[in-house]
This record gives sequence, structure tokens and C-alpha cells, in this order.
Amino acid sequence: AQTVTQSQPEMSVQEAETVTLSCTYDTSENNYYLFWYKQPPSRQMILVIRQEAYKQQNATENRFSVNFQKAAKSFSLKISDSQLGDTAMYFCAQRAETSGSRLTFGEGTQLTVNP
Amino acid sequence: DGGITQSPKYLFRKEGQNVTLSCEQNLNHDAMYWYRQDPGQGLRLIYYSQIVNDFQKGDIAEGYSVSREKKESFPLTVTSAQKNPTAFYLCASTQDRYSYNEQFFGPGTRLTVL
Repeated sequence: AQTVTQSQPEMSVQEAETVTLSCTYDTSENNYYLFWYKQPPSRQMILVIRQEAYKQQNATENRFSVNFQKAAKSFSLKISDSQLGDTAMYFCAQRAETSGSRLTFGEGTQLTVNP
Repeated sequence: DGGITQSPKYLFRKEGQNVTLSCEQNLNHDAMYWYRQDPGQGLRLIYYSQIVNDFQKGDIAEGYSVSREKKESFPLTVTSAQKNPTAFYLCASTQDRYSYNEQFFGPGTRLTVL
């Protein structure tokens, strides 16, 4: 069974600064995929970034990047130049290749960007 | 525009009543999912369907039922057997059961039991 843990229920950051959200996971699979989703106050879930476990290079999407440490089973999200619109709940999720298309989500981290 | 629609946005139910939440997608996706979201918790999988006329229980299927008679539709029925149904329900879809395609989400339905 897969588990995903986000140990920071809430975080805050000043506008234009950098913040890192933590995520750890547990799996016995060799190949799997990791995702960060954002849920703003509208509650619409939006994909932020994804990482394939067999790729060593960390994924980046504009101001968002990940630090993927496969041996440590860690998948943190770094947001650079934080903007007010980044205020949202952030969920880490995992999908194992043998579990079909199922996603396992962490509990979420509420990020607040302060002006 | 392609996407996922859920209706209604807000739903109120009396105890003992069954209620059905609608989920429709026009993305031509094979796989569809229902999640439940409670405050302070992540999304928990209720049911999922990887192909028409087939579906599987997720982690918290008790008190819920689904059908998948059409590719674009995956309705969720919350039955009276569900002890604590008040929650936010999210429907999602993905292209197929393979690869690492992202799941696309609908806007959600807030169910409140009176």
C-alpha cells in the first residue's frame, strides 16, 4: 500500500520570497509517479507539477520546482517569488504503476502568501 | 471547451434519503474517479472506473454506489447507509489507466445532511 505524508499543516510566506513544502511517501514499487496539486479557495484542483520516479532530473515549471530524493522517499515543492495567487492548499500525491490509475494523496499543506 | 462538470454545486439531504451526484466529462477520458474531502484531510478515493461498464471500490466505498454506463458519465449515489455523508465531493478523470497522465478535476459538490 502507498502512503503519502505532509507534515506541515500550515505555512506562510511573504510575497516575493521562496517557500518549500515537504512531502514524504512510502512505496514498494520501483516505478511510480509523483504530483503536486494546488487547491485555491475556489476549491478547483489544479496540477502544479509532476515527476516520474525513474527520471533523476528534478522537474521544474516556471516558479515551481521539486527536490526529488528517491532514496529518502522525499518529494518537496519549492515555490520561488511567491505571489498572492499562490495562496492555496497544496496536496502531494503518488501513483504507482501497478496500482493502475489510482492516486494516493497526502493530508495537504495550507499555504498563505502575505503581502 | 473540454472539461468536467459536476452538479449540483450545493446539495442538501435529509437523513435517511439517497442522493445522486452528477459527474460528466467531454475529454474522451477512459478513467473516472470519485473522491471525498473532509476538513484537515486529503482526498480519499471512494470509487473509480477505468473503462465503461466496469468500476472498483476505493478506500472508503461503504455507503456509496456508482454506475458507468456511458464513457462520459460517472454518477455517485450517497445512500442512507453512509453514516457521515456531509463532505465535499470531487470527481476526476484521466486519459487512461496507464502512464502518468494527470487527473483532471471537476469543481466539486458540497453535500450537507440536515
